[in-house]
Amino acid sequence: GQNIDQPTEMTATEGAIVQINCTYQTSGFNGLFWYQQHAGEAPTFLSYNVLDGLEEKGRFSSFLSRSKGYSYLLLKELQMKDSASYLCAPMDSNYQLIWGAGTKLIIKP
Amino acid sequence: GAVVSQHPSRVICKSGTSVKIECRSLDFQATTMFWYRQFPKQSLMLMATSNEGSKATYEQGVEKDKFLINHASLTLSTLTVTSAHPEDSSFYICSASLGTSDSDEQFFGPGTRLTVL
Repeated sequence: GQNIDQPTEMTATEGAIVQINCTYQTSGFNGLFWYQQHAGEAPTFLSYNVLDGLEEKGRFSSFLSRSKGYSYLLLKELQMKDSASYLCAPMDSNYQLIWGAGTKLIIKP
Repeated sequence: GAVVSQHPSRVICKSGTSVKIECRSLDFQATTMFWYRQFPKQSLMLMATSNEGSKATYEQGVEKDKFLINHASLTLSTLTVTSAHPEDSSFYICSASLGTSDSDEQFFGPGTRLTVL
C-alpha cells in the first residue's frame, strides 16, 4: 500500500534550525512536494524534489533519497511566522498526490 | 487517519465539454469540503468552500457558473467544470473537514488531473 510517515508535532526555538523528516512508500514515484499550511489558509508550495539530493531555497531546503523513500525539509533561522503545519506529499506513478498527515511545527521565543 | 478520495484521477476531454469530479470522504462525515486548483509548481489556490446542503462560497475571480459545486451529502461533493477550455487544464484537489471553522484540520484528496484539448 501507499504510506507516508512524518512526526505529528515538533517544537523548536526562534533562530534555530529544525529538520522535518518524511518517509514514504508509493506505487511508483514522480517527485515529492513539501507544503506549508497556516491554520485557516490553503497550503503553500515550498519545494518539489524529483532527483536525489538537496534543493536549497533561501531559509528552506529539501532533501530526497529515492532509494530510501526518504525526504526531509530543513528550516534555518526559524522565525515565529514559521509556526505552521508542514505537509509531505509524494506523487505516485499515476501522478496522484499521497498526503501525509502533516507535522505541526511550534516555534517558541 | 481520515481518507478522502477523488474520481476520476485523470481526465482528458475536448474543449467545450463538461467534466465532473467527485470528492468523497470515505470514513468520516465532512461538514465542509474545499476545492483547490494547482498549476505546476505553484501553491494550491482555493476555488470554493462548500458546506453540506448549502450553496458554495466562491473565491474572488472564480466563476461560479463555470465551476459548479454540489455538496449533496456529508460524504460527497462534486465539481463540474462546464464548457472546459485548455486554460482550465490543471490539477484539481479537494479536501474535507469535520468542522465548519477555517482552522479545522483538512484532509486532502489525491487530486484529479484535467487536460483539455
